[in-house]
Amino acid sequence: GENVEQHPSTLSVQEGDSAVIKCTYSDSASNYFPWYKQELGKGPQLIIDIRSNVGEKKDQRIAVTLNKTAKHFSLHITETQPEDSAVYFCAHSGYSSASKIIFGSGTRLSIRP
Amino acid sequence: DAGVIQSPRHEVTEMGQEVTLRCKPISGHNSLFWYRQTMMRGLELLIYFNNNVPIDDSGMPEDRFSAKMPNASFSTLKIQPSEPRDSAVYFCASNGQGAGELFFGEGSRLTVL
Repeated sequence: GENVEQHPSTLSVQEGDSAVIKCTYSDSASNYFPWYKQELGKGPQLIIDIRSNVGEKKDQRIAVTLNKTAKHFSLHITETQPEDSAVYFCAHSGYSSASKIIFGSGTRLSIRP
Repeated sequence: DAGVIQSPRHEVTEMGQEVTLRCKPISGHNSLFWYRQTMMRGLELLIYFNNNVPIDDSGMPEDRFSAKMPNASFSTLKIQPSEPRDSAVYFCASNGQGAGELFFGEGSRLTVL
């Protein structure tokens, strides 16, 4: 179906360590996989995305990996900093501005000083 | 660019009253999405429009909810009559042709007493 499962729901890591959040989807037609960060009192904001023809994408301390065969994708944050504390959502859709973008349930990430 | 603009930011109303939430998408964007966020259900897609036409309203909870987009720069989400279980943060988002990134407004926090 359309849903995407996201784990874990909460994650606490020591500042400087890495954080990994994983999502699994079931729709084989999905070909666009964004990740959003939501800070308190604000709307979600795109931090990185990946399309189905790519297996990995990196942007500074953030990376996303995609395994289309297994239908899962992951967000990796290295050298975590206090400002990384937020709620992170994975999402998926077909490639089109008119396609449904369905979100995972979210992961609340806390960075311990 | 002013971003996606939503109003009101906060609304407190009594059960049975009509609620109207408003959204102005980013100029030039041709898709508009309404999401509802709660602790229990996360980010739920309620309805989305493409070129002012409703494409998928399967997420609208029931007949008490309705959404319109009379032109490219304005959309409303109406709840009539409102119930306490409608209490949530309602987000509007928009994106442009061929672009996957969703741009969210800051949300409208609705409390129905």
